[in-house]
Amino acid sequence: AQSVTQLGSHVSVSEGALVLLRCNYSSSVPPYLFWYVQYPNQGLQLLLKYTSAATLVKGINGFEAEFKKSETSFHLTKPSAHMSDAAEYFCAVSVKTGGGADGLTFGKGTHLIIQP
Amino acid sequence: DAGVIQSPRHEVTEMGQEVTLRCKPISGHNSLFWYRQTMMRGLELLIYFNNNVPIDDSGMPEDRFSAKMPNASFSTLKIQPSEPRDSAVYFCASNQNTGELFFGEGSRLTVL
Repeated sequence: AQSVTQLGSHVSVSEGALVLLRCNYSSSVPPYLFWYVQYPNQGLQLLLKYTSAATLVKGINGFEAEFKKSETSFHLTKPSAHMSDAAEYFCAVSVKTGGGADGLTFGKGTHLIIQP
Repeated sequence: DAGVIQSPRHEVTEMGQEVTLRCKPISGHNSLFWYRQTMMRGLELLIYFNNNVPIDDSGMPEDRFSAKMPNASFSTLKIQPSEPRDSAVYFCASNQNTGELFFGEGSRLTVL
């Protein structure tokens, strides 16, 4: 079975600073990896996904993530934080082709706080 | 295009009452998922359907929970009888085997 660990339930950065949200996964087969964002009182929205193509994946809102097999990591970064980035971020893993048939296994989430 | 539509958005009920949550997936999607989100346990997959057939319901907490998908455009999640510990946000999501799940805005359930 696959699993995801997100390090840090809360991360606080200053506006304009680098954002780094950590995600490590466990999977016995090559995984598909995802980052989702959740704004208050809303559903989850896909930021980006890795599906065995390029290891550096670019997503929406200036976010990107790098798949590192040797480290079993898929950390999310953004060079310069904006106040509107404040939200809950979830890392997720799937091992099925396209992830469709089995759904996704989510991490516990990281609450990103942006300090003015 | 309409996304995943869930109703009701908010439900407040008393312990012992029956609760029915509804979901309309995105047209053309063949997989539907029900998730529960709580502060303590995060996002948990309850059950998912593929082509209207339940594939895995191992995440359903207990017999008080049941889910149906009578056709490709509608699914329900029912709790009977409800208990305070069922209070959570329940999300429905759908996809077309592309990996990306499309989520509804959730149904926030409060059981008093």
